[in-house]
Amino acid sequence: GAVVSQHPSWVICKSGTSVKIECRSLDFQATTMFWYRQFPKQSLMLMATSNEGSKATYEQGVEKDKFLINHASLTLSTLTVTSAHPEDSSFYICSAREVQGWETQYFGPGTRLLVL
Amino acid sequence: QKEVEQDPGPLSVPEGAIVSLNCTYSNSAFQYFMWYRQYSRKGPELLMYTYSSGNKEDGRFTAQVDKSSKYISLFIRDSQPSDSATYLCAMIEGAGNKLTFGGGTRVLVKP
Repeated sequence: GAVVSQHPSWVICKSGTSVKIECRSLDFQATTMFWYRQFPKQSLMLMATSNEGSKATYEQGVEKDKFLINHASLTLSTLTVTSAHPEDSSFYICSAREVQGWETQYFGPGTRLLVL
Repeated sequence: QKEVEQDPGPLSVPEGAIVSLNCTYSNSAFQYFMWYRQYSRKGPELLMYTYSSGNKEDGRFTAQVDKSSKYISLFIRDSQPSDSATYLCAMIEGAGNKLTFGGGTRVLVKP
């Protein structure tokens, strides 16, 4: 149980385009989903917390207009990187927290983004 | 000073040895403690989740929490090459709070 999927697993795009990444909890409902960014050989950096039906809460230094987050249902959250630039190239990972289990998070497999 | 400190390694051990990992933390409000395993270019996988001080065992994995010393450990018995990965400790204060991660320890188990 507690499976989280992400799509796509990797994406290459041209500078200036927008990229949407989906995060789904497959076998449980998640009122809260999180979006992380990870650079090579570094730990996860929390970008934002997404609650179903409400606006996301962004961490300090994360541009909300650049990283649009939508959490329309209890099983789906999306991250859209708008007008992507090479410095946005990174590994993006989502996680989901069960409705009943606030103390644990289950992570998706990650999406590797390369902006040319 | 970081809230959670974790030696980055790499920690290299021969196959079959015990892997010993640990994290120290400064925030006494942390209540729940987790260990995640992350393979290269993959998302973290939850291995162990503990609440109270003491030991918790699951197969080859044993997690220890010492809240008085603000110190947590993960032991992997009979290590296998497939255990080669980065191990992240994480902790949380309570409901509605976010996870705080250690920096991760890279483990190499050599055949």
